[in-house]
Amino acid sequence: DAGVTQSPTHLIKTRGQQVTLRCSPKSGHDTVSWYQQALGQGPQFIFQYYEEEERQRGNFPDRFSGHQFPNYSSELNVNALLLGDSALYLCASSTTYRGDTQYFGPGTRLTVL
Amino acid sequence: AQKVTQAQTEISVVEKEDVTLDCVYETRDTTYYLFWYKQPPSGELVFLIRRNSFDEQNEISGRYSWNFQKSTSSFNFTITASQVVDSAVYFCALSEAYGGSQGNLIFGKGTKLSVKP
Repeated sequence: DAGVTQSPTHLIKTRGQQVTLRCSPKSGHDTVSWYQQALGQGPQFIFQYYEEEERQRGNFPDRFSGHQFPNYSSELNVNALLLGDSALYLCASSTTYRGDTQYFGPGTRLTVL
Repeated sequence: AQKVTQAQTEISVVEKEDVTLDCVYETRDTTYYLFWYKQPPSGELVFLIRRNSFDEQNEISGRYSWNFQKSTSSFNFTITASQVVDSAVYFCALSEAYGGSQGNLIFGKGTKLSVKP
């Protein structure tokens, strides 16, 4: 049973560019959440997708957007990259039940130069 | 407001010592869920345990045990006879059923555990 997968593993971009990160959920899961983890900090919630719609959003600017596809996979897009966007981006999948455990992928390490 | 506090930033122990990682949470919800995750140097968050607010039973899984006390809003994690492989950053997280966070995870800042041989 495949777990949560993310691509790419690492990414280097320059300020002002745009980036797309991808996530495939664990089998049987229909909800995908994205988190940003800065160095030395705990993960911060970006947004959550269910039934191809953004169900909930954390305190992140509109430069951060996402999408969920009919097969439940998801993308995170970040426009106009800033140096401060450098972080580990984690995708988590779960069922729609709000208290369900979220299982995390290996993350994408984004470096903005 | 919802909040998770892990006051211990770093802990260093020698192998075979017992170690307890503290977690204190704040929420106004009566229904909520608590989690512990382990993050080894590879970066992936590994799920360890989930507890709901109505289940205060302590849990033991091998060398790991968890003490949930609603009276003190704490959910502490103990590793017995620690091993070098336990070295990682450990995160405590809170998820509310109906409150402002409604299902997303609120993480503490983590405790970095180093187990020396």
